[in-house]
Amino acid sequence: GIQVEQSPPDLILQEGANSTLRCNFSDSVNNLQWFHQNPWGQLINLFYIPSGTKQNGRLSATTVATERYSLLYISSSQTTDSGVYFCAVLRSNDYKLSFGAGTTVTVRA
Amino acid sequence: SQTIHQWPATLVQPVGSPLSLECTVEGTSNPNLYWYRQAAGRGLQLLFYSVGIGQISSEVPQNLSASRPQDRQFILSSKKLLLSDSGFYLCAWSAGTDNGYTFGSGTRLTVV
Repeated sequence: GIQVEQSPPDLILQEGANSTLRCNFSDSVNNLQWFHQNPWGQLINLFYIPSGTKQNGRLSATTVATERYSLLYISSSQTTDSGVYFCAVLRSNDYKLSFGAGTTVTVRA
Repeated sequence: SQTIHQWPATLVQPVGSPLSLECTVEGTSNPNLYWYRQAAGRGLQLLFYSVGIGQISSEVPQNLSASRPQDRQFILSSKKLLLSDSGFYLCAWSAGTDNGYTFGSGTRLTVV
């Protein structure tokens, strides 16, 4: 199956700092999503971004499909940004959304 | 707008007891439906998916089964729970493979 690698595995930030999370994948995909899992376990859609760049408030994401990676940027981090960030990908003609192991982000006040 | 409902939120069940988790989607028709399990706080694993009523595909052989009795209803079941069935179960839907997946709020199952 497709391999999804996220880095770093853990990230500790001071409130107000910026950070970049990376997702590498091993095959061509036609679906890539970034999720935030909050402390209650709920998976929140952040971006559906199989290619290109999108921004939503303090968060932005870029996927370079030809080079098989995606980046999630968090700017001016807040304590509410804490949680686990997952990258998930789907190959063409497949139904299995495959997840990376996640990046655990802790933002300290 | 589309919404996905999943219940119960938490469940504690004894070993050997049956299980039924339900997931429903509103505001769309003929969705693709999925059951995922997350163990130890990481690593979501696809268990089952369905592209239509009565159509179920299993990704991992195990003690669980799934059914889709109605277009927007997806049920995860077990006849006899094992300790290893403990985990966080998430239902998801998509309008197709070229669309984003949306997850329900999850069920935290503890088998004792």
